[in-house]
Amino acid sequence: DAKTTQPTSMDCAEGRAANLPCNHSTISGNEYVYWYRQIHSQGPQYIIHGLKNNETNEMASLIITEDRKSSTLILPHATLRDTAVYYCIVFLYNQGGKLIFGQGTELSVKP
Amino acid sequence: EAQVTQNPRYLITVTGKKLTVTCSQNMNHEYMSWYRQDPGLGLRQIYYSMNVEVTDKGDVPEGYKVSRKEKRNFPLILESPSPNQTSLYFCASSFRTGAAYEQYFGPGTRLTVT
Repeated sequence: DAKTTQPTSMDCAEGRAANLPCNHSTISGNEYVYWYRQIHSQGPQYIIHGLKNNETNEMASLIITEDRKSSTLILPHATLRDTAVYYCIVFLYNQGGKLIFGQGTELSVKP
Repeated sequence: EAQVTQNPRYLITVTGKKLTVTCSQNMNHEYMSWYRQDPGLGLRQIYYSMNVEVTDKGDVPEGYKVSRKEKRNFPLILESPSPNQTSLYFCASSFRTGAAYEQYFGPGTRLTVT
């Protein structure tokens, strides 16, 4: 499975966009990029996923580079409640739905 | 409300005393899975189930058993718990629609084995 690399921690001012990068240089053509977040010790929460095209939903946007070796999760207007650990995961769906979580990025949104 | 529920939420037990952690989902999901989360090791998959009566091992299945007799339930069984199974456990479920495995996670069960 492709490995992901994320910064350990990031800060963001409340109301500003939070841009969380992820490197997945060994990603295969049929592997999806998924983002989850975990607030404190709660269950992880799905945010968004994509294969090649950029994606947007009510929570966030996902920008995937053309070579698919990296991606950026964008929270357009971060709030204090967005403080969490964000996990970037590449996922091969025909491997039993396995999610391999890395260490993630601890995002702190500050007033 | 669509949700994944786990019981108990907190459990302290002793080595060797069999226990079961229940997981139930009300979304008619085919896929269910168990994870454990440990400091420095992140989330690791224990077992998963693609549908009723179909289960398979994840990355760390040793010491655990599961069953999937009904679509909504996926209990995790520790036949003889040991201290190294002290962890935070999460159950998750999702539909199997092509490549979309948007997994919904339960609130977690914090298990301590002394």
